[in-house]
Amino acid sequence: DSGVTQTPKHLITATGQRVTLRCSPRSGDLSVYWYQQSLDQGLQFLIQYYNGEERAKGNILERFSAQQFPDLHSELNLSSLELGDSALYFCASSVVVEAFFGQGTRLTVV
Amino acid sequence: AQKVTQAQTEISVVEKEDVTLDCVYETRDTTYYLFWYKQPPSGELVFLIRRNSFDEQNEISGRYSWNFQKSTSSFNFTITASQVVDSAVYFCALSEVLRGYNQGGKLIFGQGTELSVKP
Repeated sequence: DSGVTQTPKHLITATGQRVTLRCSPRSGDLSVYWYQQSLDQGLQFLIQYYNGEERAKGNILERFSAQQFPDLHSELNLSSLELGDSALYFCASSVVVEAFFGQGTRLTVV
Repeated sequence: AQKVTQAQTEISVVEKEDVTLDCVYETRDTTYYLFWYKQPPSGELVFLIRRNSFDEQNEISGRYSWNFQKSTSSFNFTITASQVVDSAVYFCALSEVLRGYNQGGKLIFGQGTELSVKP
């Protein structure tokens, strides 16, 4: 158990809908990262937050947004969902260097 | 640009064989971090090791060993006497050092090597 908690574990939704993925980092970790894993793109970095502030951005679509709250948990919001958004979404947290990953949320868009 | 290449897409071995997973990276940074992660069939990503670019000492942890060679930009991973439980996808990753923050940045992952260990 990495100590990073992601909910829900599975999510099935229809095209055009909006979903929110939640992440609770390890105790004491200030950095939260979001990654997307798909068969065609592999593991891709989406966005990083550090202590509530956006630190770095990857190839995150404009339909996607994230935030980190004062209690350090983070949410990834995906809107106007398309079939191609189906993927495994990981959250990771770190205190300095090593990033520890949650179990992921498997999103299926139908 | 940073890039990680894992040329071996799939490897299949028989239990107790030794196996080496290759990783080659590209970066213009002089300071960086290298990682290996394991993704078992259950899907989670498990951290295995981190290496700093200024530390080329090889590391051994039980049946696992890592060979970091800066001259060839490689960070290879060897499993000795493989076991069925080693079956997983293994990812090599690279990250920058965020100057001023003493932190690693985003991870750039290779495409992964799927290791199958047969009994």
